Amino acid sequence: DQQVKQNSPSLSVQEGRISILNCDYTNSMFDYFLWYKKYPAEGPTFLISISSIKDKNEDGRFTVFLNKSAKHLSLHIVPSQPGDSAVYFCAASGSSSGSARQLTFGSGTQLTVLP
Amino acid sequence: DAMVIQNPRYQVTQFGKPVTLSCSQTLNHNVMYWYQQKSSQAPKLLFHYYDKDFNNEADTPDNFQSRRPNTSFCFLDIRSPGLGDAAMYLCATSRDLGDTQYFGPGTRLTVL
Repeated sequence: DQQVKQNSPSLSVQEGRISILNCDYTNSMFDYFLWYKKYPAEGPTFLISISSIKDKNEDGRFTVFLNKSAKHLSLHIVPSQPGDSAVYFCAASGSSSGSARQLTFGSGTQLTVLP
Repeated sequence: DAMVIQNPRYQVTQFGKPVTLSCSQTLNHNVMYWYQQKSSQAPKLLFHYYDKDFNNEADTPDNFQSRRPNTSFCFLDIRSPGLGDAAMYLCATSRDLGDTQYFGPGTRLTVL
């Protein structure tokens, strides 16, 4: 049972345009959400996070939106750059995630930004 | 720069031959985690240490063990690697439980 779902395995966007990566979750106890970026042969790099008390968090070109009623979050990258091409993982944690408040990851979306 | 370091980056072992993967951190974080990631899948948590307290995930095979001799270092021991254990192994740290986790570059394990 996948509690965090990224339904689009891949996304292609033209350089300079907006990239929108989507993530859905089923566990209503999740209260902290993160996005990680992963290049091939490297570990995931933390990008941005959002707590469930907020509906938006912005950091430079990256904005994360949280819609709690829909159990949906999205990552917006604008403008997209070729260096943004990577796999993006959505992750969530909450009080029901065990003693570690372990992260539950989605399966990732491969973003390709075309020059 | 403060960081999470994993050695080696690539490890080749033979079926059944014990192997140890290493992780070190300069962040002085309390929590260290080991994840297994297979191709096109989400990282899967194997276990974590909160300081010296070891916490094993229920579905982590007995073949996988871990040691944390001090705050900075954590090791993953695979006692008898099988072909199915070939994967990327990721170490992560967080200041406290529930805080953002920071990952190392990973060790790609190949089992021949």
